[in-house]
Amino acid sequence: GAVVSQHPSRVICKSGTSVKIECRSLDFQATTMFWYRQFPKQSLMLMATSNEGSKATYEQGVEKDKFLINHASLTLSTLTVTSAHPEDSSFYICSASQTVSYEQYFGPGTRLTVT
Amino acid sequence: DAKTTQPPSMDCAEGRAANLPCNHSTISGNEYVYWYRQIHSQGPQYIIHGLKNNETNEMASLIITEDRKSSTLILPHATLRDTAVYYCIVSSNFGNEKLTFGTGTRLTIIP
Repeated sequence: GAVVSQHPSRVICKSGTSVKIECRSLDFQATTMFWYRQFPKQSLMLMATSNEGSKATYEQGVEKDKFLINHASLTLSTLTVTSAHPEDSSFYICSASQTVSYEQYFGPGTRLTVT
Repeated sequence: DAKTTQPPSMDCAEGRAANLPCNHSTISGNEYVYWYRQIHSQGPQYIIHGLKNNETNEMASLIITEDRKSSTLILPHATLRDTAVYYCIVSSNFGNEKLTFGTGTRLTIIP
């Protein structure tokens, strides 16, 4: 099956700093990428949907100026958590899909810890 | 998207068939039933999907009732590696539509 990678897999940063997470589709072109967040013992919550070359669509309650999403190519989307705070500590997961596909392919996730 | 209801947890003996139910009584005509699973601290993994016919692949079988208001995911010979949270999701028929994850069923395979 198609492979989606994320980098880094784990990151620890200090409060107030910014962190960038990359999501790559390794063997296919992803027209759409999704970013999810998962807190401990909870389900995945969709943060935003991004289509290559256009602005991301954010879910209600997700601050677009805090969670910057860039989908500049068909194989790469980035999520930047700006001015991170301890409450932003979470498991961030991306997924990607092709135009004609019934599946979304998920990355392995990035665990962010803000101290 | 239609809402789904799943039992919060289930146990199954290793080697036996695991049957995971899902209710989706408000499913609409163009919505598919998707199953994903998430092993601890990993990204979700696609298992199977279907519209109205039963489906089978190398991982599992999906049985959808005739009225499409419920479905059952069957893992025919469960192994310890099948321990995970299983999500039943209803969504329109393209992968580029957003998925709404519920709370899922935590399946534990007992040795």
